[in-house]
Amino acid sequence: EAGVAQSPRYKIIEKRQSVAFWCNPISGHATLYWYQQILGQGPKLLIQFQNNGVVDDSQLPKDRFSAERLKGVDSTLKIQPAKLEDSAVYLCASSLTLEREQFFGPGTRLTVL
Amino acid sequence: EDQVTQSPEALRLQEGESSSLNCSYTVSGLRGLFWYRQDPGKGPEFLFTLYSAGEEKEKERLKATLTKKESFLHITAPKPEDSATYLCAVQTREGAQKLVFGQGTRLTINP
Repeated sequence: EAGVAQSPRYKIIEKRQSVAFWCNPISGHATLYWYQQILGQGPKLLIQFQNNGVVDDSQLPKDRFSAERLKGVDSTLKIQPAKLEDSAVYLCASSLTLEREQFFGPGTRLTVL
Repeated sequence: EDQVTQSPEALRLQEGESSSLNCSYTVSGLRGLFWYRQDPGKGPEFLFTLYSAGEEKEKERLKATLTKKESFLHITAPKPEDSATYLCAVQTREGAQKLVFGQGTRLTINP
């Protein structure tokens, strides 16, 4: 069974630029998550989708971050404009249902200069 | 506010030297406690889910236990390939049932 796919794996941008990340979850998984992991810390949930709908986005900085999940499968996370403090690894995860264990992709390492 | 604290932050052991990692939590209503392993440059890899106090789960050299306030990850006779960061997360019973992660314990096993 294929795992969670993410691209790109690495991205370097300058502050005030925009960037987008893509995620393809495990086939059949209804729930999709985006996390931000700053070096030396645990992952922090940004947004959680159940099929097409948003379940929780309470920690998403909505003035600069946006996410969508079209057709209940793939998802994109966008940052516009980026700030220095956005430098982190962005992880995508999926689970069969809200209650089940989450499976993570390899992440995208973002560096904002 | 739901909170997870892991200790120690880093642990260095000799191969074969057993030890335990701690995960203390405060949560309004616990649905489950999850342990993950994370290797450098990779996403977290699922290890265990524990649902109730007294529950134990084992996988190779790892055993996870749960009480009402904390969880332990016991590592018996570790090998260098067990070196990784171990993350603990709690899932709340209400609302979005989201995961709240601790900061992790960085484990190094020297040959």
